[in-house]
Amino acid sequence: DIQMTQSPSSLSASVGDRVTITCRASLSISSRLNWYQQKPGKVPKLLIYDASSLQSGVPSRFSGSGSGTDFTLTISSLQVEDFATYYCQQSYRTPYTFGQGTKVDIK
Amino acid sequence: QVQLQESGPGLVKPSGTLSLTCAVSGGSIISSNWWSWVRQPPGKGLEWIGEVYHGGDTNYNPSLKNRVTISVDKSKNQFSLKLRSVTAADTAVYYCARTFAYFDCWGQGTLVTVSS
Repeated sequence: DIQMTQSPSSLSASVGDRVTITCRASLSISSRLNWYQQKPGKVPKLLIYDASSLQSGVPSRFSGSGSGTDFTLTISSLQVEDFATYYCQQSYRTPYTFGQGTKVDIK
Repeated sequence: QVQLQESGPGLVKPSGTLSLTCAVSGGSIISSNWWSWVRQPPGKGLEWIGEVYHGGDTNYNPSLKNRVTISVDKSKNQFSLKLRSVTAADTAVYYCARTFAYFDCWGQGTLVTVSS
């Protein structure tokens, strides 16, 4: 299986901050990396697919970059509604695997 | 737009079989994508269980492969999950999801508790 490792596991930030979350794959996955947002008790929501493509309806303050083994999710200006847990997921091969999650909370 | 809805028992006894169904509405299950099950134990992360194509092809997570079956019922526009020999470790919220290798549309999730 391809192991996905996110860092940090949690972070505290303020509204308006620029936030970056990193995801590393245990082998090269080209650009087959996706990002999800999950709020407590809610369904995961696709934000970014194929490393940098913004899912329809997702605000442009979210962006993704990277290829190979190292990827980043950036929130350019954190909003109140962005406090949540974020997961990366590789879609290079089955079994699809997720990172352990990064919890973003209020500073 | 496509909507997914899980259904099935919320409580399963240890060593029993967990059975869930995902009804697809607003679109056809016969489309150019796969259909997956994903689960999330309370307070933990996400785990992909497996996927099915409308033709019946499947891919499973090797960690569960010996216990899981995913099937599709085109006549009912739904797909199903069966997980055998369950233990407390299988207690989780189970989601169904439309799959293009990424998961762009999810059901609301259903909590299944394994307990006697």
